[in-house]
Amino acid sequence: EAQVTQNPRYLITVTGKKLTVTCSQNMNHEYMSWYRQDPGLGLRQIYYSMNVEVTDKGDVPEGYKVSRKEKRNFPLILESPSPNQTSLYFCATGQSSYEQYFGPGTRLTVT
Amino acid sequence: GQQLNQSPQSMFIQEGEDVSMNCTSSSIFNTWLWYKQDPGEGPVLLIALYKAGELTSNGRLTAQFGITRKDSFLNISASIPSDVGIYFCAGPNTSGTYKYIFGTGTRLKVLA
Repeated sequence: EAQVTQNPRYLITVTGKKLTVTCSQNMNHEYMSWYRQDPGLGLRQIYYSMNVEVTDKGDVPEGYKVSRKEKRNFPLILESPSPNQTSLYFCATGQSSYEQYFGPGTRLTVT
Repeated sequence: GQQLNQSPQSMFIQEGEDVSMNCTSSSIFNTWLWYKQDPGEGPVLLIALYKAGELTSNGRLTAQFGITRKDSFLNISASIPSDVGIYFCAGPNTSGTYKYIFGTGTRLKVLA
């Protein structure tokens, strides 16, 4: 079954404690991306990757890091989370930068 | 940067009614995509449009790629309760990167 998985689905953490949200896909897609969704602001792209070892900034990259060492995985790293990074995060993949397939989301709360 | 504005922001309709919503940009897009997001879930792709003037259907949904390439429209015919959700337009930007932009969303509520 084609799927995009994210872990964890829910996370409550404290300011400054490094965390990683994992994203994995089994569709052999080239393009992977991270978004955050906030009330009233819609979905905003954080980072994207066109292929292994190729990543680039989206519209809201500050405070985040990513890596793409393997085609199937695209983890999102928050080195020093702050309360303004409390949000709903989605990973998405696609064969190109056109049609995107989304994971189930990770709800992050930073206190 | 490029932005996508959707209208209306939200709408209540009666079951069985047809629904129209639109998405506009101040700059040209080469691809328009429409997604639906159910509460608590990730967006799901509904329709993809690749050519100006293109009209594409997916069941009761019909979407059009505007001739000016600065807008797109989504129509839902004979709405049913499960049409409830947020509808987003989206697309890759045309400024030379592979950034992906989402519209502000239209929240649809269907009254049975």
